[in-house]
Amino acid sequence: GAGVSQSPSNKVTEKGKDVELRCDPISGHTALYWYRQSLGQGLEFLIYFQGNSAPDKSGLPSDRFSAERTGGSVSTLTIQRTQQEDSAVYLCASSLALSVSYNEQFFGPGTRLTVL
Amino acid sequence: TQLLEQSPQFLSIQEGENLTVYCNSSSVFSSLQWYRQEPGEGPVLLVTVVTGGEVKKLKRLTFQFGDARKDSSLHITAAQPGDTGLYLCAGAGDYKLSFGAGTTVTVRA
Repeated sequence: GAGVSQSPSNKVTEKGKDVELRCDPISGHTALYWYRQSLGQGLEFLIYFQGNSAPDKSGLPSDRFSAERTGGSVSTLTIQRTQQEDSAVYLCASSLALSVSYNEQFFGPGTRLTVL
Repeated sequence: TQLLEQSPQFLSIQEGENLTVYCNSSSVFSSLQWYRQEPGEGPVLLVTVVTGGEVKKLKRLTFQFGDARKDSSLHITAAQPGDTGLYLCAGAGDYKLSFGAGTTVTVRA
């Protein structure tokens, strides 16, 4: 079956531009997560959705970052006025339900963002 | 600051050798997970350990969760080139995973 897909796979943008990253989770998965992976670092948790609701946005690095999820399915992560330090791989994951210990998170291949 | 510290950061060994990767934290987690990530792909879950002192074996891979549920280790016996990749540990909280920085393992043929 289809896994988690993300688009675009690569995005090069100029400093100050806005970018929108898309995640298509596995059908039927109610929980969706966004992470950021910088070179040489592990994954940094950004935000999670239960259905269309994001109860905790404290993991977002700054107010330039926002995310939404519609129809309990597709999610978009938007970065406004991009900075060079935003360059990273942005990973999306989905799971059947929210409990992370008992519900495997399936990751997409990521979007590699490069801000020039 | 990483909640979970992994060591070593890099490991290069010859095919057939054994290796161990460590994951340590000052925090207690309800469970700990190990992932393997290959270039251009997302991490893939290898195992979840839940009980303190638990040992799980998957073929040549052995995972151990510390008694206090703060640390874990991954041991690979007779490593093969196909074991090459980035190994990540992650501690589970209520709704999110906290990842270590990862150990890059290279197995030379």
